[in-house]
Amino acid sequence: DIQMTQSPSTLSASVGDRVTITCRASQSVYTWLAWYQQKPGKAPKLLMYKASTLESGVPSRFSGSGSGTDFTLTISSLQSDDFATYYCQQYSSGWTFGQGTKVEI
Amino acid sequence: EVQLVETGGGLIHPGGSLRLSCAVSEFTVSSNYMAWVRQAPGKGLEWVSIIYSGGSTYYADSVKGRFTISRDNSRDIMYLQMNSLRAEDAAVYYCARALFNGACCRFDYWGQGTLVTVSS
Repeated sequence: DIQMTQSPSTLSASVGDRVTITCRASQSVYTWLAWYQQKPGKAPKLLMYKASTLESGVPSRFSGSGSGTDFTLTISSLQSDDFATYYCQQYSSGWTFGQGTKVEI
Repeated sequence: EVQLVETGGGLIHPGGSLRLSCAVSEFTVSSNYMAWVRQAPGKGLEWVSIIYSGGSTYYADSVKGRFTISRDNSRDIMYLQMNSLRAEDAAVYYCARALFNGACCRFDYWGQGTLVTVSS
């Protein structure tokens, strides 16, 4: 099974900061990697797929990059609505989520 | 507007059974891949099961042999039959549409979740 590891687990930031979250796969997932945002008590929301393709309706301050085993999600200028937990998910072989990165003030 | 609505959660004793339902609107379950994802309290997301449009089904090792995914095409409802429930199955269960595009799958639409509590 492919394991997904995110870092950091928690990230403290301020409005306007540039934020980068890293996701590493235990083996290559090519670019079959998605990112989700989840707020407390809510369902996850798809942000990005195929590593760098922005889901429709998602603000352009979100961007993704990477291939193989190393991926990043970047928020160019953090907004108050972006404080949430972020998960990566591989769909190259089965379906595995990272453990999550909580972005907090 | 695309909607997924889960029902069927509740409190169940260890060893008991429960069936979750996921009713969808604005798309059909028969022509889509559909999945269940769960989240234990305070924990991360865990994929549970998926059913392909062609009917193939797959399960996480943690639920294989105990859970069964199915669908009613005429009613556009997906189900998760959960048997021999354990304390570690306690979670919010989300249904999601799974989108295939070169590979399967990202999860683009999610329900609001239904809580399953397993306790004696």
